[in-house]
Amino acid sequence: AQTVTQSQPEMSVQEAETVTLSCTYDTSESDYYLFWYKQPPSRQMILVIRQEAYKQQNATENRFSVNFQKAAKSFSLKISDSQLGDAAMYFCAYRNYGGSQGNLIFGKGTKLSVKP
Amino acid sequence: DAGVTQSPTHLIKTRGQQVTLRCSPKSGHDTVSWYQQALGQGPQFIFQYYEEEERQRGNFPDRFSGHQFPNYSSELNVNALLLGDSALYLCASSFRGREETQYFGPGTRLLVL
Repeated sequence: AQTVTQSQPEMSVQEAETVTLSCTYDTSESDYYLFWYKQPPSRQMILVIRQEAYKQQNATENRFSVNFQKAAKSFSLKISDSQLGDAAMYFCAYRNYGGSQGNLIFGKGTKLSVKP
Repeated sequence: DAGVTQSPTHLIKTRGQQVTLRCSPKSGHDTVSWYQQALGQGPQFIFQYYEEEERQRGNFPDRFSGHQFPNYSSELNVNALLLGDSALYLCASSFRGREETQYFGPGTRLLVL
């Protein structure tokens, strides 16, 4: 069974600085998707960024980028120029490629605080 | 373009009661997945509905059941509520025709007393 591990329960960053959130996963599959979701206090789970395992290029969305290391089964999220609105719980998630689209597997999350 | 909507926002029930939660998918989506998020944890997959049938199920007892309607909206039913069922219940929708990301609703907070 696939598992997702986020080893940092809490992280803190100064406004305008850069922070990296860690995620490791375990799977025997070669094709899969990885995601970072953000959950602010409003509870709505918002997609931050997605990575297809067959793509070697790291995904980037504005201030958010990932470091995808397939051999090491590592998928970290880098937030540049941190803003107060970035404060939230961040969840790393895994999904198999193909077949059913269900069954996202989530880590336990990292709580990010942003200091002004 | 309306996103995923869920109702009610909050709900308080007592042990042994039954509850029904509702979800309307994002416009253009035909697949609905349900997740349970306990306090301080990541969401856990309950089941997924497509073409009005349960297509995939996580490790949840039969007390958890669901339904999907012809308009793709969905219900999650939980019978014989336990204290441990207190959680945030999230609905996510997607389009089955191609590999696409799931989009989440705001959730329903259920408290079982």
